[in-house]
Amino acid sequence: DAGVIQSPRHEVTEMGQEVTLRCKPISGHDYLFWYRQTMMRGLELLIYFNNNVPIDDSGMPEDRFSAKMPNASFSTLKIQPSEPRDSAVYFCASSYGNTIYFGEGSWLTVV
Amino acid sequence: DAKTTQPNSMESNEEEPVHLPCNHSTISGTDYIHWYRQLPSQGPEYVIHGLTSNVNNRMASLAIAEDRKSSTLILHRATLRDAAVYYCILRPHNNNDMRFGAGTRLTVKP
Repeated sequence: DAGVIQSPRHEVTEMGQEVTLRCKPISGHDYLFWYRQTMMRGLELLIYFNNNVPIDDSGMPEDRFSAKMPNASFSTLKIQPSEPRDSAVYFCASSYGNTIYFGEGSWLTVV
Repeated sequence: DAKTTQPNSMESNEEEPVHLPCNHSTISGTDYIHWYRQLPSQGPEYVIHGLTSNVNNRMASLAIAEDRKSSTLILHRATLRDAAVYYCILRPHNNNDMRFGAGTRLTVKP
């Protein structure tokens, strides 16, 4: 299996621009997670889905962030408008059962 | 939310055993204890998990205290590739809500 696939791997964007991060979970997995990692705040759970339905979005920082999962094989995390404080590594992960599998992350820099 | 407490950092010598502690005094009876690790510039990866009994797999062993208020991840022979941040996490039995703390940064010296 190819594992969790994220794109883009690296993105540099200007403040105010829209950013869309994409994720393809492992086939057959029923949970999908979005995490954000920074030096200051560590690894934060932003939102997670079960069978494409958002279960808990309490970690989403503010209305500028939104996440969707239109089908079992695709999810997006969108930031609009982006700000420099959104610079972080964003991880997508998926699971079926006890183990969560992480992607390699999308490294976002907002200048 | 049940929380965990881990030392910020630990050091080990290569090929020696490493015992990484985790305190979780507010654990509920149905919380699972999970361990993940994050190698540099990578996403976290699963190491091991357990509920009440000690567990072994090819990567590590997990020793759980009888009262379940603490646990220890054991790497039997540390290698340089084991240098990572190790996270101890409590997962509720009825969902997959997995929230990471600061973890323990393990340094392995040759």
